[in-house]
Amino acid sequence: AQTVTQSQPEMSVQEAETVTLSCTYDTSENNYYLFWYKQPPSRQMILVIRQEAYKQQNATENRFSVNFQKAAKSFSLKISDSQLGDTAMYFCAFLLSGTYKYIFGTGTRLKVLA
Amino acid sequence: GAGVSQTPSNKVTEKGKYVELRCDPISGHTALYWYRQSLGQGPEFLIYFQGTGAADDSGLPNDRFFAVRPEGSVSTLKIQRTERGDSAVYLCASSSLTSGDSTDTQYFGPGTRLTVL
Repeated sequence: AQTVTQSQPEMSVQEAETVTLSCTYDTSENNYYLFWYKQPPSRQMILVIRQEAYKQQNATENRFSVNFQKAAKSFSLKISDSQLGDTAMYFCAFLLSGTYKYIFGTGTRLKVLA
Repeated sequence: GAGVSQTPSNKVTEKGKYVELRCDPISGHTALYWYRQSLGQGPEFLIYFQGTGAADDSGLPNDRFFAVRPEGSVSTLKIQRTERGDSAVYLCASSSLTSGDSTDTQYFGPGTRLTVL
C-alpha cells in the first residue's frame, strides 16, 4: 500500500523569504504522479503543482518548484518570494498511474509573516 | 456554474439519522470524486465516478455510505444511521478527463461540514 508522510505539521516564513515543505512517500511501483495542493482558510483546495514520476526534470510553476528525488522517495515543495496569500494548509498527494485513488498526506500549515 | 458547489455547507444531525450531501460539479466534467477530511487530516478518498458509474468505491468505509450520480452530473453522498465518527468535512472534486486519465486537475468544492451529535 502507498503512504504519504508530511513530517512538518506547522511552519512559518517571513514575507519575501523562501520556504521548503517536505513530503516523503512509500511505494513499490514505478509509474505514479505526485501533487501539491493548497487549502486556504476558506477551505477550497487548489492544485499548486504536479510531477510525473517518469520525468527527471523538476516541475516549476512561477514561485513554486519541487525537488523530486525518486530514489529517496522525496517530493519537497519550495516557495520563493513568499506572499501573505500563501498562508494555507499544504497537502502532498500521490496517485498511482492507471488508478483514481489519490492518497493525501496529513498536511503542513504554513503561515507567512508580514 | 463557475466552480464546484456543495450543499449544504453545514449539516448538524443526530446519531442514527440519515443524511444526504450534494455536489454540483463543473459543467461538462466527467470525473467526480468524494473525499472525507477529518480534523487535522488530509482528504481521504471515498469514491470516484466516471460519468454515471462508480469506477472505484474502494474508499467507502462501510455499507452505511453510498453515493449516486444518476445523470452524470450532480452527485449525492448518502450516509445511513450516522455515527459520531462520521463527523468530518466531506469534499467533492471534479475534473474534465481531457487527458484520458485521472491525472487531470481536480477542482474542489468548499465542502460540507457534517456534525453528528
